[in-house]
Amino acid sequence: EAQVTQNPRYLITVTGKKLTVTCSQNMNHEYMSWYRQDPGLGLRQIYYSMNVEVTDKGDVPEGYKVSRKEKRNFPLILESPSPNQTSLYFCASSLGAGSEEQYFGPGTRLTVT
Amino acid sequence: SQQGEEDPQALSIQEGENATMNCSYKTSINNLQWYRQNSGRGLVHLILIRSNEREKHSGRLRVTLDTSKKSSSLLITASRAADTASYFCATAPSYGKLTFGQGTILTVHP
Repeated sequence: EAQVTQNPRYLITVTGKKLTVTCSQNMNHEYMSWYRQDPGLGLRQIYYSMNVEVTDKGDVPEGYKVSRKEKRNFPLILESPSPNQTSLYFCASSLGAGSEEQYFGPGTRLTVT
Repeated sequence: SQQGEEDPQALSIQEGENATMNCSYKTSINNLQWYRQNSGRGLVHLILIRSNEREKHSGRLRVTLDTSKKSSSLLITASRAADTASYFCATAPSYGKLTFGQGTILTVHP
């Protein structure tokens, strides 16, 4: 089944404790992206990747890192999480340049205390 | 500010009625897309309309695009309770970028 998977689905952590949210897609898509969704603010793009070893900042990259060493994986790293990073995070992938149909993962609900 | 803005923010209708949601945007686009999100879950792509298209259909969905007014509408005909969800428009003004609006919350009462 074609899908985007994210792990973990739920995470509660403390300020400053490094964490990684994994994202994997099995559709051989070149484009992958991370979004965060907050009430009243909609979806905002954090980082995106056009292909392996190619990443770029989205609208809200501060406090986040990403890497794209393999085509299928695009982990999101929070080196020192803070409470304002409490949010619902989505990974997405697309066959095209990111401006075509995107396939979303199920989401990761992160709480930073 | 968001590229796409949906209107209304919330819509409540009875099963069997039609639901219309609107999206306005500010800059030139390559295409405009509509997505559905059931509460707290991942977004699901519904339909994509390109800048040179004026109308597109998919099942009970009808999307129109007016590039002169920088606006689009999504019509869901004969709504069902299962259509209850948030609906987002997303605009693609350039390569590698998709910008989402804040969404319309649709509630369909059985």
